[in-house]
Amino acid sequence: LAKTTQPISMDSYEGQEVNITCSHNNIATNDYITWYQQFPSQGPRFIIQGYKTKVTNEVASLFIPADRKSSTLSLPRVSLSDTAVYYCLVGAMDSSYKLIFGSGTRLLVRP
Amino acid sequence: GAGVSQTPSNKVTEKGKYVELRCDPISGHTALYWYRQSLGQGPEFLIYFQGTGAADDSGLPNDRFFAVRPEGSVSTLKIQRTERGDSAVYLCASSAGGQGNTGELFFGEGSRLTVL
Repeated sequence: LAKTTQPISMDSYEGQEVNITCSHNNIATNDYITWYQQFPSQGPRFIIQGYKTKVTNEVASLFIPADRKSSTLSLPRVSLSDTAVYYCLVGAMDSSYKLIFGSGTRLLVRP
Repeated sequence: GAGVSQTPSNKVTEKGKYVELRCDPISGHTALYWYRQSLGQGPEFLIYFQGTGAADDSGLPNDRFFAVRPEGSVSTLKIQRTERGDSAVYLCASSAGGQGNTGELFFGEGSRLTVL
């Protein structure tokens, strides 16, 4: 399973766009990239998933370059409630699919 | 309920005791996962069920840990002879599994285990 590297922490202010980049140099051909969000005392929650190029949903955008060795989660106009830990994961969606979490990025949004 | 349910939400036990943690997955989800999370760390994979069978138990730390899912729905994580180092939040997740699986895992709120 591909290992991921992401910043330990990031600070931002309300209303700003936040970009969290994740490195996954050993990503395999059949691996997808998935991001989860976790608030204190809660389980992680799925944010977005992609394979290549760009994916956008109502919460975030995910940018994946052609070589797929990194990905960037973009959160537009963050609010205080976006303060959480964000995890980048890679894995194949087959019968042996499982997610391996790293330590994540702690995002702190200030007023 | 519609989500993954875990019981108990909190469990305090003494070193050496036996503990069971229960997970009720989302109805119809064939895949079920157990993770363990220590303070300040990401969730650590323990075991993955596809249906009734443990498809991957490579994350179980030792033979004191065991999990079952006898009917392919509810799962129980069992910890024998608990140690203080077992203190953590134990998270359960389920997913649709099988062909067409998007890979999205739905997590419960966890069971916080404290071993005194």
